[in-house]
Amino acid sequence: NAGVMQNPRHLVRRRGQEARLRCSPMKGHSHVYWYRQLPEEGLKFMVYLQKENIIDESGMPKERFSAEFPKEGPSILRIQQVVRGDSAAYFCASSRDPAANYGYTFGSGTRLTVV
Amino acid sequence: RKEVEQDPGPFNVPEGATVAFNCTYSNSASQSFFWYRQDCRKEPKLLMSVYSSGNEDGRFTAQLNRASQYISLLIRDSKLSDSATYLCVVNGPYSGAGSYQLTFGKGTKLSVIP
Repeated sequence: NAGVMQNPRHLVRRRGQEARLRCSPMKGHSHVYWYRQLPEEGLKFMVYLQKENIIDESGMPKERFSAEFPKEGPSILRIQQVVRGDSAAYFCASSRDPAANYGYTFGSGTRLTVV
Repeated sequence: RKEVEQDPGPFNVPEGATVAFNCTYSNSASQSFFWYRQDCRKEPKLLMSVYSSGNEDGRFTAQLNRASQYISLLIRDSKLSDSATYLCVVNGPYSGAGSYQLTFGKGTKLSVIP
């Protein structure tokens, strides 16, 4: 039973380019969460999605960031016109219940470096 | 007040020592509590859930005090492999549609020294 799959593991982008991060939840999990971890900082919630629906995007920056979880395929976190401050580890997690009573399972993350 | 607050450490302890981590949370509506472990440049991994009655898993004991909004983790007989950052996690705030996000503390770094 594959865990949460994220790709790519490492992504380098020049300022102004677009970054697309992908996440496939664990089998049987329909709740997907994206978190960002800046260097030497804690994990910060960005967005929570179910299939074809954004449930909570209260942690997403208002500009340049978007997320989707289509009916078919992985969840995508998209960052347009990246800046140096976007450099971070982006973790995707999934859970089997909406209240996260059993915690989340995290993917291994995508480390974005903006040069 | 931060939503989930932890002593950042680092805690440097010798092998075999007992070490305790504390955490406070601000959301009195939180119902689920966890300790996660994060190794350097890796993803967080669930260490254990925390129940009101307290619970134990081998060398690890977790306690919850809802009245004080306080969570603790005790590690006995520390091993070198316990070196990691320990994250205190609570569910909330409410995300809508019957769902909650998890809020993470910044973590407490533990180094177990030979």
